[in-house]
Amino acid sequence: QQPVQSPQAVILREGEDAVINCSSSKALYSVHWYRQKHGEAPVFLMILLKGGEQKGHEKISASFNEKKQQSSLYLTASQLSYSGTYFCGTGLLIAAGNKLTFGGGTRVLVKP
Amino acid sequence: EAGVAQSPRYKIIEKRQSVAFWCNPISGHATLYWYQQILGQGPKLLIQFQNNGVVDDSQLPKDRFSAERLKGVDSTLKIQPAKLEDSAVYLCASSLGVGKYKTNEKLFFGSGTQLSVL
Repeated sequence: QQPVQSPQAVILREGEDAVINCSSSKALYSVHWYRQKHGEAPVFLMILLKGGEQKGHEKISASFNEKKQQSSLYLTASQLSYSGTYFCGTGLLIAAGNKLTFGGGTRVLVKP
Repeated sequence: EAGVAQSPRYKIIEKRQSVAFWCNPISGHATLYWYQQILGQGPKLLIQFQNNGVVDDSQLPKDRFSAERLKGVDSTLKIQPAKLEDSAVYLCASSLGVGKYKTNEKLFFGSGTQLSVL
């Protein structure tokens, strides 16, 4: 039931854009996105709910495709501070939205 | 606002020894989670509490791991005896836990305890 993230890693130049995908084989109720820097705790970015709108956090936004059970995180005009590992967490519809399962993560490195 | 507090920050033990981790969630947060994060992987849920009751412990290796949240506030996770494969960062997280659906609430994570089993 673990969501699958792609790509596993991406290297960007400052100012470039990137997309990170999170896919589930089960019907989703919610998708969370967190960013974790090396040696630190994961930090919340945003939550997308079934039937909800696209969200944004600074120049980072995300969408939720309910038909495909997929969410995408968009890093726009990336900054050095965007470097880190991005995790999606999914709450399944069948589990009444009580349990959050994280994907394996996408490592993002933004270079000057 | 104080964050989620965890201790110790680091722990090194020999295999077959015991170890305990402590977590104090954000004040007023009813839901508390313990996650295990192995290097290079995403956090894996070990146990989830709602106040002092267990909501999910399906991935907790109950032959060696135990956790409690007796007064519905702070929590302790114990490993006895430890194995080499238990080397990981143990993250505690909390959320308000007031709604019907817990996964529409953001999680606040502590800094974690890095465990090395030699």
